[in-house]
Amino acid sequence: KQEVTQIPAALSVPEGENLVLNCSFTDSAIYNLQWFRQDPGKGLTSLLLIQSSQREQTSGRLNASLDKSSGRSTLYIAASQPGDSATYLCAVIHSDYKLSFGAGTTVTVRA
Amino acid sequence: NAGVTQTPKFRILKIGQSMTLQCAQDMNHNYMYWYRQDPGMGLKLIYYSVGAGITDKGEVPNGYNVSRSTTEDFPLRLELAAPSQTSVYFCAISRTPGVEGQETQYFGPGTRLLVL
Repeated sequence: KQEVTQIPAALSVPEGENLVLNCSFTDSAIYNLQWFRQDPGKGLTSLLLIQSSQREQTSGRLNASLDKSSGRSTLYIAASQPGDSATYLCAVIHSDYKLSFGAGTTVTVRA
Repeated sequence: NAGVTQTPKFRILKIGQSMTLQCAQDMNHNYMYWYRQDPGMGLKLIYYSVGAGITDKGEVPNGYNVSRSTTEDFPLRLELAAPSQTSVYFCAISRTPGVEGQETQYFGPGTRLLVL
């Protein structure tokens, strides 16, 4: 059974600092990996989807890397802003297109 | 274009009551999913559907039922509510998993359910 872990569970940084969020998974036979953002009391918003054949994906200040062999993905957020405060979840997509989610990392960016 | 809508936003149920959580989409996506999110936990898949008339169980289907009579709607039914079903329920959609560029899942705002 796929286990997806996100450490740390919470992170607090001053504005302007770069954020590094980690996601690890136990079964490297994944199809894709997706990063989401969740604001309090809201649904999930897709940030980046990385195909299993890709090493990284970028969108604006966000960059996500994927290392299937080591079972790791990292989400980098450059020059953090208070508006980046949210919970970030990673989800592994299996070959049957079902998703396994991590519990998330809650980020607070202090002004 | 509202995307994915869910109703109600919040509901309190008594043990043993039943209810239906509604999910509707206007994006004409084939795949629809129901997840539950418990505090401090990742989302768990309850049921999913690959198209009208086709549904299948996810990781935690016990205590729930679904139907998919149209592309747009995917209701989730709780027959005998139990305290263990207290959670936040999310509906999600995707166009065509397995096709690059069409795999992203889009989520509704969620339904908070409290069973007392």
